[in-house]
Amino acid sequence: DTAVSQTPKYLVTQMGNDKSIKCEQNLGHDTMYWYKQDSKKFLKIMFSYNNKELIINETVPNRFSPKSPDKAHLNLHINSLELGDSAVYFCASSPAQGGETQYFGPGTRLLVL
Amino acid sequence: LAKTTQPISMDSYEGQEVNITCSHNNIATNDYITWYQQFPSQGPRFIIQGYKTKVTNEVASLFIPADRKSSTLSLPRVSLSDTAVYYCLVRGGYNKLIFGAGTRLAVHP
Repeated sequence: DTAVSQTPKYLVTQMGNDKSIKCEQNLGHDTMYWYKQDSKKFLKIMFSYNNKELIINETVPNRFSPKSPDKAHLNLHINSLELGDSAVYFCASSPAQGGETQYFGPGTRLLVL
Repeated sequence: LAKTTQPISMDSYEGQEVNITCSHNNIATNDYITWYQQFPSQGPRFIIQGYKTKVTNEVASLFIPADRKSSTLSLPRVSLSDTAVYYCLVRGGYNKLIFGAGTRLAVHP
């Protein structure tokens, strides 16, 4: 069983479209995260949720809206996609807030044309 | 916020021991040092974590001197499958991990 799973694995779309990426973890963790890894391979945190509550919201455009229906799921919705949104998006989870031991999903490769 | 500095890349050969050193001069008293490994097209994977002295697990060892301003990840007898990017992290604030550029390790036959 995959601990942290993301769908879809690949996403190719046009500028201006709205898309969602889903994340699920079956580890029983309380905290989930979204990271963005750009073409230069820098990995930056975007959001963090603890028990469905938003804990961290980095300087991310409000076109990005995370949604946590329950503590096992953290979805990422992106409105009005732009070329610069092309990146790999990773979901992660950890057993506790501030956890340095995070478990990452396989990533969603988003390409905006 | 504590920052980390590590070599951009390293090369090694199969069977050798690889040591990757990371500097974190501004590490806070309660910060742990954590190392992650990332293979191409995969998410980062936790390798090891320590606070001081030495920590060893089935994958690697982590050496941390008394001043904790640096740490060294030691990979014994590397194989081709250890080719990856290795990230050294200290906490970048509450609930936040700050990933640097990492060290690209290439293991050659």
